[in-house]
Amino acid sequence: GNSVTQMEGPVTLSEEAFLTINCTYTATGYPSLFWYVQYPGEGLQLLLKATKADDKGSNKGFEATYRKETTSFHLEKGSVQVSDSAVYFCALSDGSGTYKYIFGTGTRLKVLA
Amino acid sequence: KAGVTQTPRYLIKTRGQQVTLSCSPISGHRSVSWYQQTPGQGLQFLFEYFSETQRNKGNFPGRFSGRQFSNSRSEMNVSTLELGDSALYLCASSLAGVSMETQYFGPGTRLLVL
Repeated sequence: GNSVTQMEGPVTLSEEAFLTINCTYTATGYPSLFWYVQYPGEGLQLLLKATKADDKGSNKGFEATYRKETTSFHLEKGSVQVSDSAVYFCALSDGSGTYKYIFGTGTRLKVLA
Repeated sequence: KAGVTQTPRYLIKTRGQQVTLSCSPISGHRSVSWYQQTPGQGLQFLFEYFSETQRNKGNFPGRFSGRQFSNSRSEMNVSTLELGDSALYLCASSLAGVSMETQYFGPGTRLLVL
C-alpha cells in the first residue's frame, strides 16, 4: 500500500541554519505530494505542494522538489527562523481516484535564537 | 472567507459514553475529511464525505461514524468511548476532494476520555 516515511525528530537548529527534512514515499500511480505545518495548538496548514514529477513547490522560503526517480520530496530552507519552530508533515494524496491523504509521522523542528 | 471551524474545541468524556463532533467547511467546499491525531499513531485518516456520501473510509472500528448534511457541514460520532480514543480530531475540507487539491484544516477538537 501507499506510505510516507519522514525522518525522525526532533530537529534542533540555530537561527539562520540550513534545514533539510527528508521525506520518501511509496505509491502506485501518480500521487500529489504535500508539506503541511502544524504550529502549537493549531490545525495543519499547507506549506507547499507538487502535483507531478520534477515540480518544485515553494512558500515562505521553504522548497521541495518532487523526485520520482528517488521517490522523495525533501523539505529545505536556507535560513530558518525561531518562528519556523513547528511540526512538519509530509503527505501524499493517492492519484488513483480514491481520495485519501496519507501522512508521515511528522518531524518536530525547534529553532533556537 | 471564513476557514474551517470545529466545535467544540475541547471535550472531556468518560468511558462508555458517546460523543459527536461538528465541522463546518469553507464555503463552497463539498469534501470533508476527518483525521485522528495521537502522539503514538500520528495522523490517521478516518473517512471522507462528498455530497452527503461517504466515499472513503480508513481502518477504524464501526464505533466511529460520520455524516454530512446538504450544506456540507459534517458530524463525526464515536460511540462507546474507550481510553484510547483520546486524541485531537481534525476536520479538513476541499472543493471536490480530488487528488491534487489542497485540504484546509480546522483547529481540531481535543477529546479526553477518562
